[in-house]
Amino acid sequence: EDQVTQSPEALRLQEGESSSLNCSYTVSGLRGLFWYRQDPGKGPEFLFTLYSAGEEKEKERLKATLTKKESFLHITAPKPEDSATYLCAAPSGNTPLVFGKGTRLSVIA
Amino acid sequence: GAVVSQHPSWVICKSGTSVKIECRSLDFQATTMFWYRQFPKQSLMLMATSNEGSKATYEQGVEKDKFLINHASLTLSTLTVTSAHPEDSSFYICSAPGPQDYEQYFGPGTRLTVT
Repeated sequence: EDQVTQSPEALRLQEGESSSLNCSYTVSGLRGLFWYRQDPGKGPEFLFTLYSAGEEKEKERLKATLTKKESFLHITAPKPEDSATYLCAAPSGNTPLVFGKGTRLSVIA
Repeated sequence: GAVVSQHPSWVICKSGTSVKIECRSLDFQATTMFWYRQFPKQSLMLMATSNEGSKATYEQGVEKDKFLINHASLTLSTLTVTSAHPEDSSFYICSAPGPQDYEQYFGPGTRLTVT
């Protein structure tokens, strides 16, 4: 069974303290690894799609990387407005996206 | 970019009543839309796939007679929770495929509370 597992479940950072979120996956024939940001009471907001090992994408303070078994979302010098839940997901069979449980990030000023 | 809206954003209803949630693609057409449910501190779980012009397909364990889906047009899908019970209280989110393979655009979600 295809699975997407995220760690840590929650992460608390001081403003400016860089860190990484992990997403490990066991998906046959990966057709893309997706990262989303979700604010409380809102739908997921698309961040990145990665398709092949070694691929990297950046957006402001975020950088996503992909290996054959996992993806990392690196957050450089985070700000309080980066506080959110970060979800990773991948297509699986006929399911458009299988989601991990997410990492709840809190950035403290 | 593609925008998906949902209405209402939140609803409170009494146990035993039915509630309809709308999902619209505002600036593009969607022959397929997806409905997810998210419980607190849990991930999104796919409930069903809504298909314009044909019946919806439901994930295992989702009661199709309880969660009625109608894809009325190329821009509108509705989810009706029939005879709602407190355990149906959840955050319901719809999505529509984007132009890139496997890309999804998500609506803002609907918070349902059944008392």
